[in-house]
Amino acid sequence: QKEVEQNSGPLSVPEGAIASLNCTYSDRVSQSFFWYRQYSGKSPELIMSIYSNGDKEDGRFTAQLNKASQYVSLLIRDSQPSDSATYLCAEGGGTSYGKLTFGQGTILTVHP
Amino acid sequence: DGGITQSPKYLFRKEGQNVTLSCEQNLNHDAMYWYRQDPGQGLRLIYYSQIVNDFQKGDIAEGYSVSREKKESFPLTVTSAQKNPTAFYLCASSITGGRNEQYFGPGTRLTVT
Repeated sequence: QKEVEQNSGPLSVPEGAIASLNCTYSDRVSQSFFWYRQYSGKSPELIMSIYSNGDKEDGRFTAQLNKASQYVSLLIRDSQPSDSATYLCAEGGGTSYGKLTFGQGTILTVHP
Repeated sequence: DGGITQSPKYLFRKEGQNVTLSCEQNLNHDAMYWYRQDPGQGLRLIYYSQIVNDFQKGDIAEGYSVSREKKESFPLTVTSAQKNPTAFYLCASSITGGRNEQYFGPGTRLTVT
């Protein structure tokens, strides 16, 4: 059974700080990794995809992937109160082509 | 506007009744998925379909059924055999042969009493 584990929350950071969200996965041959943001009562929204080792930046968001350590992270720079949400990590490909496995989510609160 | 629609947004049913949740997409995606989310938890895959007239069970298919007669539509039936049907149900779609970036509809919140 494939597993995706996210760092336990909730995570609280002050406005303007860097929020760091972490995720580990069990399937060594996983190919694709995703971060979704989910506001309370809403559906998940894809915010970052990463497929290769290293960093991928998109605005205030940076995703980092380390396949050797089976670790993926999301950094949010200059955190804003509007970033307060649950962040879901997901992995796909590998031994379960066509499916995604999700972590349980990390609740992030950015306080003014 | 391209997107995924789910209806209804809220659904209330009595125990013992079957109920069908609608999911429609106009993104021209081949693959469609149904997930269930319980409070404070991640998403669990119920069923998925990568092509019309074909679908596979996910991790928690018991008590659910689906059909895929059209590329645009992937309805989910929650049967009376599902022991804990109250949940937030999410439909998603993606292209096939790609990186499997999945995009979600707005969800249906089902309450069974």
